[in-house]
Order: sequence, then C-alpha cells, then structure tokens
Amino acid sequence: DVKVTQSSRYLVKRTGEKVFLECVQDMDHENMFWYRQDPGLGLRLIYFSYDVKMKEKGDIPEGYSVSREKKERFSLILESASTNQTSMYLCASSATSGGLNEQFFGPGTRLTVL
Amino acid sequence: AQKVTQAQTEISVVEKEDVTLDCVYETRDTTYYLFWYKQPPSGELVFLIRRNSFDEQNEISGRYSWNFQKSTSSFNFTITASQVVDSAVYFCAHLTSGTYKYIFGTGTRLKVLA
Repeated sequence: DVKVTQSSRYLVKRTGEKVFLECVQDMDHENMFWYRQDPGLGLRLIYFSYDVKMKEKGDIPEGYSVSREKKERFSLILESASTNQTSMYLCASSATSGGLNEQFFGPGTRLTVL
Repeated sequence: AQKVTQAQTEISVVEKEDVTLDCVYETRDTTYYLFWYKQPPSGELVFLIRRNSFDEQNEISGRYSWNFQKSTSSFNFTITASQVVDSAVYFCAHLTSGTYKYIFGTGTRLKVLA
C-alpha cells in the first residue's frame, strides 16, 4: 500500500519558534510538494521539489523554507512561526513519468501557532 | 494564468439523491490535465480521476460520473444515488502538461444526510 506519511497530525507551537514538518513517501517519487489548506482558499502551494536538493517556490513561500536531502523525505521549515501560519499543512508526492500525474497526499498536519 | 473555480461552497443532499459538483477552469494551455480529489473527514486527499485536454469522453465509474466539456471549460462531477460515505470535501484541479504546478479550486463540501 503506497504511503505518504507526515510526522505529526497535530502540532502546537509558540510564536517565534522554529518548526519542522516532516514528510516521507515510499513510492520512489521524484516530485514532492507542500501545501497549506485554509477554509475558503483551497490548497495553496508553498514549495515543491522535483529532485533531491532541488526546490522551487510555489505561490506562498514567504516565511517558509524546505529541505530535500533524500529522495523520500521533504521537510518544511517555519523559520520563526507566526500566528498567521496556523493552518493545515499537506504534503504530496507524484511521479515524473508513468502513472496519471496524480498526487498522493499525506494525512496532513494541523499546526496551531499561539 | 490558470484558474479553477468551484462556485459551490457547500451542498447538502439527502441520501439516494443525485448531486453534481461544478468545476470551471481557465487556461491558455492546449495540453493540460484535470483532476478530481476527495478529502474525507480523515483529511487525506484521495485521487478520483484524471482527464487530459484531448479526451472529452465522459467517464463513469460505479456511482460516479464526470462530464468534461471544453466548449464551456467545465469538468463536472456527478454522484448518483448518494450515500453518507460520500460526505467529504471535493477538489477539482488543473495541471499544465510538462509542469509540476497543480492549481486547485477552493473545494466543495458535500454533506449527505441519512
């Protein structure tokens, strides 16, 4: 059974803290993505990576950074968490070739910044 | 720029009713893909279908059917004889061929009442 896992389902952090969200996929996918999901706004792309150590900014990268040192792992970093980063964070992966270009999603991390 | 509009924020139906979820997209691409995903209360988005821009054939899978019309830039999703388990948020998405950037709509929350 293919899987995308995220390190935490729920996380509570304080303003100013450095926050790490981890995502691991076991499908040998080249592409990995981080989205945030907010009511009424749908899914917005923060960053994506099409290969190890490669990354590209999405639509809302401000306040975030990412790291992809291994193919299966893609980390999202909030350098200094702020209350407006309270959200649901979704990780996804997809293959470059073969398949239907569909994304496989993790269960999400609901982050609250106090 | 590409855009996906899901004008229905929330729909409530009674079990066994048919329901159609609307998706309208804007694109200047000639080759692109359209997707539907389901997000049940557990939070994990699940892929339902992909259509490419050259294939306007409607598709049926059990109680689900999809109507793709390029003339109206729409990719609507119909659930026949809805069931409580269909209650979820449904997202429509667009992907330009050869890119990694998926554009999601804001989602439609479907509530199926017993």
